[in-house]
Amino acid sequence: GAVVSQHPSRVICKSGTSVKIECRSLDFQATTMFWYRQFPKQSLMLMATSNEGSKATYEQGVEKDKFLINHASLTLSTLTVTSAHPEDSSFYICSARAGQGAFGYTFGSGTRLTVV
Amino acid sequence: LAKTTQPISMDSYEGQEVNITCSHNNIATNDYITWYQQFPSQGPRFIIQGYKTKVTNEVASLFIPADRKSSTLSLPRVSLSDTAVYYCLVGPSSFGNEKLTFGTGTRLTIIP
Repeated sequence: GAVVSQHPSRVICKSGTSVKIECRSLDFQATTMFWYRQFPKQSLMLMATSNEGSKATYEQGVEKDKFLINHASLTLSTLTVTSAHPEDSSFYICSARAGQGAFGYTFGSGTRLTVV
Repeated sequence: LAKTTQPISMDSYEGQEVNITCSHNNIATNDYITWYQQFPSQGPRFIIQGYKTKVTNEVASLFIPADRKSSTLSLPRVSLSDTAVYYCLVGPSSFGNEKLTFGTGTRLTIIP
C-alpha cells in the first residue's frame, strides 16, 4: 500500500534553533499533505494543509512564521519549526491522500521533537 | 465533518471482545463512519469504514444502527497488541482533499 515516509523520527534541538521535518510520499504523488501536532495523551491537532506549488493553509492559532511549510514537489513537504522553544516540543505527524475514501489517507510515522 | 463523542478510555482483559461506541448525532446523509487506530509514537492507521448496518474485515466489525446517530467498533478477542487509541471520524466517503479532524479518541488498554 501507499507509504508516507517521515524523517527524522526523533530530534533534539537547542532552544532558539530551527528544525526541519520531511514528509515524503513513496510511490504516489500528493498534491496535498497535512501536518498535525500531538501533545502527550492528547488527540491530533491539525496545524496546516500543505499544497504543492502554493502557499500552505494554516489553522487558526497556528503561527505561519514559526511553522514554515514548503511543498515544492508532488512527493515532498517539509515543516520547519523556526526558533524552537521548549513549548514546541511535541509529536509532529504528516499525512497524504493516496486514493479515494478515508482509507486513502496515509500517515507518516511521526517525529518526536524535543527542545532543550 | 460531524462532531463525534467517544469514551475517553476503556480497559479490557485479553481474549475479550471489546466494543467502543461513538455518537454522531449530526451525521449527514452522505457521511460515512471511519475508525482509525493509533499506537504510541506512531501515526494513525485506517481500520474500517461503513455507511450502514454492519461491515466486517479481518481486523474489526463496525455496527451502525438504522438512524446512524451512533456506531460501534467491535474488536474480537483482543490481545495486548490492541492497546492503542481508537478514533471515530464522520465525513464524506471520498473526503476529497478535506482535512481530517480528530476527536478525543478512546484509549483502550488491554490487561493481561
